[in-house]
Amino acid sequence: SYELTQPPSVSVSPGQTARITCSGDALSKEYVYWYQEKTGQAPVMVIKKDSERPSGIPERFFGSSSGTRATLIISRAQAEDEADYYCQSVDSSRSHGWVFGGGTKLTVL
Amino acid sequence: QVELVESGGGVAQPGGSLRLSCVASGFIFRTYGMYWVRQAPGKGLEWMAVVSHDGHNKYYADSVSGRFTVSRDNSKNTLYLQMDSLRVGDTAVYFCAKDGGYCSSVTCPIGDHYYYSGMDVWGQGATVTVSS
Repeated sequence: SYELTQPPSVSVSPGQTARITCSGDALSKEYVYWYQEKTGQAPVMVIKKDSERPSGIPERFFGSSSGTRATLIISRAQAEDEADYYCQSVDSSRSHGWVFGGGTKLTVL
Repeated sequence: QVELVESGGGVAQPGGSLRLSCVASGFIFRTYGMYWVRQAPGKGLEWMAVVSHDGHNKYYADSVSGRFTVSRDNSKNTLYLQMDSLRVGDTAVYFCAKDGGYCSSVTCPIGDHYYYSGMDVWGQGATVTVSS
């Protein structure tokens, strides 16, 4: 299928490591991208091509992908990391187009 | 700096039409693919459409195929989304976004192959409300 599945919510204590997963068949063939969306703001790309950090993204953000599962890892989580996170990939044949996961609400408390 | 500014949002009746615009600045617009993504109230992100750097290749989500049309005017650094036969379910904030990919050649001519690479810059969004 070309759906991407994420857990609806993840909680982490300040200073601890948060892990957000994303699963889907598309990930075995295509890159995954991760976006952070804070309330009332436009999304921001935090990971591209499975594991690369765009310019300006803190080194605390890591990405990995293996088979049909990708993981966004936020180390030393801070209050400012509280946001919705979305994974995204694409159907290489383009017949299903681009797809987002349902999003994960990260709570830092 | 790189910036995308959407406009054209508003209220439309079911069955009506609206056209969104997205003006780009701070980068060479004609060398990048561009997206439209929407977010219904309280919901997640939903990809709508993408257009290649030269406007020749367009792809749509099934939910809007045949009703929405994406286009671009590279001479005006502007991306468009023509929305026809609007439904209540189309109510959302609509974002335009720049692709982070590249053309196969440096000059990126019309017809050049383009490699997509995620949405690296987003606009602030335009609100569309479809209601009777």
